[in-house]
Amino acid sequence: KAGVTQTPRYLIKTRGQQVTLSCSPISGHRSVSWYQQTPGQGLQFLFEYFSETQRNKGNFPGRFSGRQFSNSRSEMNVSTLELGDSALYLCASSLGDKGGQETQYFGPGTRLLVL
Amino acid sequence: QKEVEQDPGPLSVPEGAIVSLNCTYSNSAFQYFMWYRQYSRKGPELLMYTYSSGNKEDGRFTAQVDKSSKYISLFIRDSQPSDSATYLCAPISGGYNKLIFGAGTRLAVHP
Repeated sequence: KAGVTQTPRYLIKTRGQQVTLSCSPISGHRSVSWYQQTPGQGLQFLFEYFSETQRNKGNFPGRFSGRQFSNSRSEMNVSTLELGDSALYLCASSLGDKGGQETQYFGPGTRLLVL
Repeated sequence: QKEVEQDPGPLSVPEGAIVSLNCTYSNSAFQYFMWYRQYSRKGPELLMYTYSSGNKEDGRFTAQVDKSSKYISLFIRDSQPSDSATYLCAPISGGYNKLIFGAGTRLAVHP
């Protein structure tokens, strides 16, 4: 079974631009979560989607948004990029049918550099 | 105070050593506890998880949770150079699939 895939793997943007990252979950998984990883803050939860609905959200500004499609693929968008948004963005998928208490499998991440 | 505290290391051990990795947490509502391993420039890989208090063993790895002291441990027996990675503990918060990660402990196993 193929794992979680993320595209693109690397991205360079400038301040003020916006960016869209994509995540394809493991086949059969309906929950997709997004995390930001930085050296200073570590791994932090952004949001989680299940059946095209956001079920949970972390403490990030509204510039960070996401969506999920009917095939469970998910995208996250960051508008008006800031230097501090440079990070590894990871998505994780899980079945989604156990009320959120279940194992999550991570993709390789998208490394975003904001100049 | 962070919800999950983990010593970032680095921890350097010789091949064959027993490694003990630990986390403490503050939220007594946590019930599921995950351990992930992350190699450099890769996404985290699930190692194992435990539910509530107790031990769970999987090959050379043993996960332990003591809810009374809010203490999580991962033991690696007969450590190998291929175990060199960052180890992250992550309880699941009550909300849907929200993992609360520790800072991660960087482990180096030298031959």
